[in-house]
Amino acid sequence: AQSVTQLDSQVPVFEEAPVELRCNYSSSVSVYLFWYVQYPNQGLQLLLKYLSGSTLVKGINGFEAEFNKSQTSFHLRKPSVHISDTAEYFCAVSGGQAGTALIFGKGTTLSVSS
Amino acid sequence: GAVVSQHPSWVICKSGTSVKIECRSLDFQATTMFWYRQFPKQSLMLMATSNEGSKATYEQGVEKDKFLINHASLTLSTLTVTSAHPEDSSFYICSAEGGGRYGYTFGSGTRLTVV
Repeated sequence: AQSVTQLDSQVPVFEEAPVELRCNYSSSVSVYLFWYVQYPNQGLQLLLKYLSGSTLVKGINGFEAEFNKSQTSFHLRKPSVHISDTAEYFCAVSGGQAGTALIFGKGTTLSVSS
Repeated sequence: GAVVSQHPSWVICKSGTSVKIECRSLDFQATTMFWYRQFPKQSLMLMATSNEGSKATYEQGVEKDKFLINHASLTLSTLTVTSAHPEDSSFYICSAEGGGRYGYTFGSGTRLTVV
């Protein structure tokens, strides 16, 4: 079974500062990893995903994440955040088999202030 | 890109009534759809997995008689909350597998309030 731990429940940062949202996973099999963003009362939007290949994954809105197998981590980073990045961020894992659901972490609230 | 349409976006119902939520994949066929429940300030909890033409698989602790899931076609899955009570008030989100390699596309969610 897979599981995901998001290490920070809240991350406050100032506008234009860099940010890292941490995610660790646990799995006995190969995993596919995802980061989603959720704005209030909305569904989830995919930021990026790691399936295989290069461990540095670039996503939308300037976000990137690095898959680190030895540390079982998939941290999300952005070099300079904007007010509009304020949202809830979820890390998720899948075992990769067709028909299996994504398992989500508890989420990290990113609050960007000026 | 892949789009999943979820309706209604919000609904208020009286205690004891039933509510149906629809989830449609608009431009791809989704053999598998997933239903999640999200409480305020919390993560998404998987409720059930539904495959087209077969019975849904429910997660432990989810009442299958209360949360009826039907996946009659490759583009439509429905969740019916039967005899709703205030504790069923929540944000329900569907997800469809497909629309790209290892793609999971999410609906925009349904805010259910039972009064």
